[in-house]
Formats: sequence, C-alpha cells, structure tokens
Amino acid sequence: GEDVEQSLFLSVREGDSSVINCTYTDSSSTYLYWYKQEPGAGLQLLTYIFSNMDMKQDQRLTVLLNKKDKHLSLRIADTQTGDSAIYFCAETSGTGNQFYFGTGTSLTVIP
Amino acid sequence: DTGVSQDPRHKITKRGQNVTFRCDPISEHNRLYWYRQTLGQGPEFLTYFQNEAQLEKSRLLSDRFSAERPKGSFSTLEIQRTEQGDSAMYLCASSELRVEAFFGQGTRLTVV
Repeated sequence: GEDVEQSLFLSVREGDSSVINCTYTDSSSTYLYWYKQEPGAGLQLLTYIFSNMDMKQDQRLTVLLNKKDKHLSLRIADTQTGDSAIYFCAETSGTGNQFYFGTGTSLTVIP
Repeated sequence: DTGVSQDPRHKITKRGQNVTFRCDPISEHNRLYWYRQTLGQGPEFLTYFQNEAQLEKSRLLSDRFSAERPKGSFSTLEIQRTEQGDSAMYLCASSELRVEAFFGQGTRLTVV
C-alpha cells in the first residue's frame, strides 16, 4: 500500500467542477481519504469513504470509489478560488496505523 | 483551540545540532502519528503511538531520530546531529479511532 499516485496539476475556472483522481495499491485498505493542504499549513481532512461504498457526497464534494480498478476520485462542484490548494488522497495500511499519501494534486482555480 | 498543536512552527538550526519538537494532540485522542513532508511530496509516515506505547516505526526513522509520548498525552520528536537532508516539515496527527486523523500545522525545520 505504498504507491498512491495522483496527477500533479489541475486548473479549472471558477464555477466549474474539478475532478481530482487517485490510484492506490492496497486492496485491503478499509478507508480512503482526501486531505487539503494550503500553502505553509498542515493537512485538513476533507472527507473519507469506507471501502464498501461506491460513492459519498458531502455538500460540494463527491467521492467516487472503484475498488476493482483501485481508483478514487474527488469532485468539487462550483469550484471557488478558496479551493486552490494541494489535494492529497491517502489509504491506510493493513494495520490501519499508517496513512500512505499520494504526491498531491495542485489545484489552481482561475477567476 | 482544540486542534492538534505543534511547537515550534519554524526552526532553523546548524548542521550537527540537536532539535526537539513538541506535539499536543486533541485531548482524549489515544493515537498519535508523526509524519515528515518534503517539498513537493506527500507526507511520509515516521512513527505511531497508541497511548504511551510506540507501536510502529518507519525505516525512515534512523537512529538519530527518537520519539516519545511519556504520559500518553503530548509527544516529542528529537533529531540528533541534524543533517541538511533532515530539512522538511514535520507533521503530527492524532485520532481517537482509526478513521479520522487530524493534523497539526507542522514544524518546518531548516538545517543550514
């Protein structure tokens, strides 16, 4: 469960939807996470999904999970300039005691 | 403020010096994690405590690194004989259950 991959950059126009993608490797991960990091700051937990779910919606955020392909995505509806940040997906180790993070996707929202 | 607190926020040290960072988790969180993040990378796991017991350590945690959580509350991470490669953001997180881990603002270490 140590290879979590994300594309590095994404630019969208304000008001459009953003979709950030992630592939992971550990099929035993119980939970998968999305974190947001603003410049110089720590990580903010945005949402997580239990591995037996396909989709989770939380206000402007929609998480889709395809366990067969080990693919996770985060959709942000009506993207705002305040959404500009780096987004990390993460999976847990088999013990659940470690989080493995991707390299992060830098989202830039163009006004 | 009931979030995870880390101190200091920034530390500049000369190569070869020892540094110690402190993390105060959210109260009643029995799980505490240390991560390291270098520029352009995601956080990498260093170590994990459940209460005062250090249950997992990464191979990244060389013998120059030591972490403690003596009373199962706050934790310290010490780096001895710092090297330039130790320059990074050191992040602490805590959780009550395995599901949600909350991160602090981090301590940015610069070794000159």
